[in-house]
Amino acid sequence: QVQLVQSGAEVKKPGASVKVSCKASGYTFTGHYIHWVRQAPGQGLEWLGWINPNSGDTDFAQKFQGRVTMTRDTSISTAYMELSRLRSDDTALYYCARHTSAFDIWGRGTMVTVSS
Amino acid sequence: SYELTQPPSVSVSPGQTASITCSGDKLGDKHVCWYQQKPGQSPVLVIYQDRKRPSGIPERFSGSNSGNTATLTITGTQAMDEADYYCQAWDSSVVFGGGTKLTVL
Repeated sequence: QVQLVQSGAEVKKPGASVKVSCKASGYTFTGHYIHWVRQAPGQGLEWLGWINPNSGDTDFAQKFQGRVTMTRDTSISTAYMELSRLRSDDTALYYCARHTSAFDIWGRGTMVTVSS
Repeated sequence: SYELTQPPSVSVSPGQTASITCSGDKLGDKHVCWYQQKPGQSPVLVIYQDRKRPSGIPERFSGSNSGNTATLTITGTQAMDEADYYCQAWDSSVVFGGGTKLTVL
C-alpha cells in the first residue's frame, strides 16, 4: 500500500541540527512532490516547504529560509528534511506528506524535542 | 502574508449538521482542502479542490467555497467525527487555517 515511513524521534540541544527521513513505498517516488509540515504540541499545522523528488528542486516557507534543507535519494525513495540552529520552539512533530491534488498521504510524524 | 481564519471550536449534536468555516481574502479564487485530525493521529484529507471527496471518505462530508469563505459541512454528524479540522489553501505558499475543534455532544 501507499505509505510514507518516517524516522524515529530525536532529542537535540539548542543550536544543533536534526535530519528527518521519509521513505516512500507503494507508488512512484519521483511522481509526486513531498512536503514537510510540523505541529508543535497542542498547536496547529505549519508548512515548512516542498521538494520535487524528480528534479531535487525545493521551495521553503519564508520563515525557514536559510535554516531548512530538503534533499532526496531516489535510489531508496527517501526524502530528507534537515533543520539547523535548533531552538526550543522548534520542538514539534514533523510530518512528511505526499502532494497530488492535496496532501493525500501523510507519514506518522517524527517528534523532535529541543532541550538543553 | 496570507491568512486563513477558522473558529476555534464548533459543537454539534449527534445526527445534526456541523458547519466549519474558513475565511481568507478572495478565498473563493483559490482551491481549498480540508483535513481531519484525531488525537494522536496524522491528518487525513477529507475534501480537496473545494468540494471533492477522496475515496473512502463518507458522503456526509461536503465542501463549498465562495467569496471570502470556504465551508466544510458534515451532515448527520457522528461521534466518530469528533476531531480537529484544518482548512488549507495555496497563496504564494501553502497556508493552513488555525484549526477547529469539533465536539459532538
